[in-house]
Amino acid sequence: RLLESGPGRVQVSETLSLTCTLSGGSINSYYWTWIRQRPGKGLEWIANVQYGGITTANYNPSLKSRVTISVDTSRNKFSLKLSSVTAADTAVYYCARDHCSGPHCYSPYYGIDTWGQGTTVTVSS
Amino acid sequence: EIVLTQSPATLSLSPGESATLSCRASESVGAFLAWYQHKPGQAPRLLIYDVSNRASGIPARFSATGSETDFTLSISNLEPEDFALYYCQQRKSWPPITFGQGTRLE
Repeated sequence: RLLESGPGRVQVSETLSLTCTLSGGSINSYYWTWIRQRPGKGLEWIANVQYGGITTANYNPSLKSRVTISVDTSRNKFSLKLSSVTAADTAVYYCARDHCSGPHCYSPYYGIDTWGQGTTVTVSS
Repeated sequence: EIVLTQSPATLSLSPGESATLSCRASESVGAFLAWYQHKPGQAPRLLIYDVSNRASGIPARFSATGSETDFTLSISNLEPEDFALYYCQQRKSWPPITFGQGTRLE
């Protein structure tokens, strides 16, 4: 199971910080992922991180300059930081597990098979 | 970036009927295609992975086919709980991983 935590409200221009805690299972392997849904919009992939001895992070190019994803293997957690937020960053943020075959995501692809319940973040001025 | 286009945007049907949802990719995604169901206030739920494989616990009335750029999710004998948003998603060429814009089944 995955559980998001973090403030429900962030001020414009500040940094949004969210944490996802994994209960049961290991954070080793898999791609740990943040996805958001802005009001009235579809699902948007933000970033993922994989730990298999070394940590590899990948970002949506549209957000890359403002996003940092990290993993704390000792605490079975991974985190998202989104800087310089605006009202357009208001969204429901989901953490999730992306299940690939191997570190390079070969076929078959097993999909994003585990999701947190989502946390609503409102950016206000 | 691979763009996924879902059609129709909205599908209006009744319980007991069958639904056909389409997802078209701007370039080949091979078998790296998944489908999700999303209900308001809930987390998205994986329905189909690897184009046509049902995820754990997904009823047999959900099926999917396709290859390369054209994919279809079919739902037979619609149940009341099937009325939701449906998204396709690709992981062939990334970042970014991309989703379609969704089909609302009402």
